[in-house]
Amino acid sequence: KAGVTQTPRYLIKTRGQQVTLSCSPISGHRSVSWYQQTPGQGLQFLFEYFSETQRNKGNFPGRFSGRQFSNSRSEMNVSTLELGDSALYLCASAQGRATGELFFGEGSRLTVL
Amino acid sequence: AQSVTQLGSHVSVSEGALVLLRCNYSSSVPPYLFWYVQYPNQGLQLLLKYTSAATLVKGINGFEAEFKKSETSFHLTKPSAHMSDAAEYFCAVSPNNNAGNMLTFGGGTRLMVKP
Repeated sequence: KAGVTQTPRYLIKTRGQQVTLSCSPISGHRSVSWYQQTPGQGLQFLFEYFSETQRNKGNFPGRFSGRQFSNSRSEMNVSTLELGDSALYLCASAQGRATGELFFGEGSRLTVL
Repeated sequence: AQSVTQLGSHVSVSEGALVLLRCNYSSSVPPYLFWYVQYPNQGLQLLLKYTSAATLVKGINGFEAEFKKSETSFHLTKPSAHMSDAAEYFCAVSPNNNAGNMLTFGGGTRLMVKP
């Protein structure tokens, strides 16, 4: 069974630009959540989608958004990038709505210059 | 609101020695508790999970953790460290009230294993 796939793995952007990250969950998993990982703030929850509906949202500004498609694939978008958005963005999928048993991808490392 | 505190951002042990990684949580409701491991340049992998069944939970790679409600702790242990255990370990909490798969993570503990 293929794992969680995130693309791109690495990207460099400049301040003010926008970025879209993609996540393909494990087949059959309907929950997709996103986390931001930085050395200073650690792992922080961004949002979770289940069956195309946003179920939970973390404490991030509106520049951070996401969506989930009917095939459970998910994208997250960050607009008007700031230097502080440089981070590893991790996507995780889960089979059920509230198991906490997350399967993580390897992440997309975003550098904002 | 929930929170997780991991005591010690870095822990160093010798190969074959006991591994003890500390985690304390605060939660207004009985929580689900997790330990995840992250190897360099990889995502996180679930080690074990507590969901109010047995208080001693066994996970993969010989790790186990004990839930102690009176101490609000969920410390991770392994009797004998192996070089391959070197990684960063994260304790996480989730409310068990069908709040979805939103986890609150601790700050992480980097485990170093000396030969």
